[in-house]
Amino acid sequence: QKEVEQDPGPLSVPEGAIVSLNCTYSNSAFQYFMWYRQYSRKGPELLMYTYSSGNKEDGRFTAQVDKSSKYISLFIRDSQPSDSATYLCAMSLYYGNNRLAFGKGNQVVVIP
Amino acid sequence: KAGVTQTPRYLIKTRGQQVTLSCSPISGHRSVSWYQQTPGQGLQFLFEYFSETQRNKGNFPGRFSGRQFSNSRSEMNVSTLELGDSALYLCASSSGTSGRDEQFFGPGTRLTVL
Repeated sequence: QKEVEQDPGPLSVPEGAIVSLNCTYSNSAFQYFMWYRQYSRKGPELLMYTYSSGNKEDGRFTAQVDKSSKYISLFIRDSQPSDSATYLCAMSLYYGNNRLAFGKGNQVVVIP
Repeated sequence: KAGVTQTPRYLIKTRGQQVTLSCSPISGHRSVSWYQQTPGQGLQFLFEYFSETQRNKGNFPGRFSGRQFSNSRSEMNVSTLELGDSALYLCASSSGTSGRDEQFFGPGTRLTVL
């Protein structure tokens, strides 16, 4: 079983729709939870970061973490064509460890 | 502030050869991590260096090695290349070693093994 599971299926949505992405994980030692966005031919860039259960909002983006269920989500409201990218969930363990465990990513296409 | 730079951006090699990839972190960053990205496995951690010392290592064979120089620049080397080593190799730099420190990724080196 992989440490982080993210159903890698592509997602096409019309502009203005809500995009919902999620990951599950098996290692309860993960402390920090991130969402990265990766545009074609670019490296991943950090989108959202949280370390506690609950919701974190940043503009049109909301990250949710449920540590009891080992489940994290990302919601994108009012999606725009510029949101078209691959979204990767990532997690890290504890202080002193920069190793990130990634999900496989979801390719999101927002259709104008 | 300049971002993470990786050279070369594209590389084509044949099986059995070896390759060296280079990563220059953001100025002031002392931690450099390397990842392999493939369609099948996604992003997988290779290793992390901090102040010229390897701190963490992923589950890759010994053909994959790395090092870090005193100026924090890092190189990774893959010897005896196999077809399955074809991937995007990404490096990330961070100011510290806390799992909470943001890691900034470079654009990657696309390696094709023929």
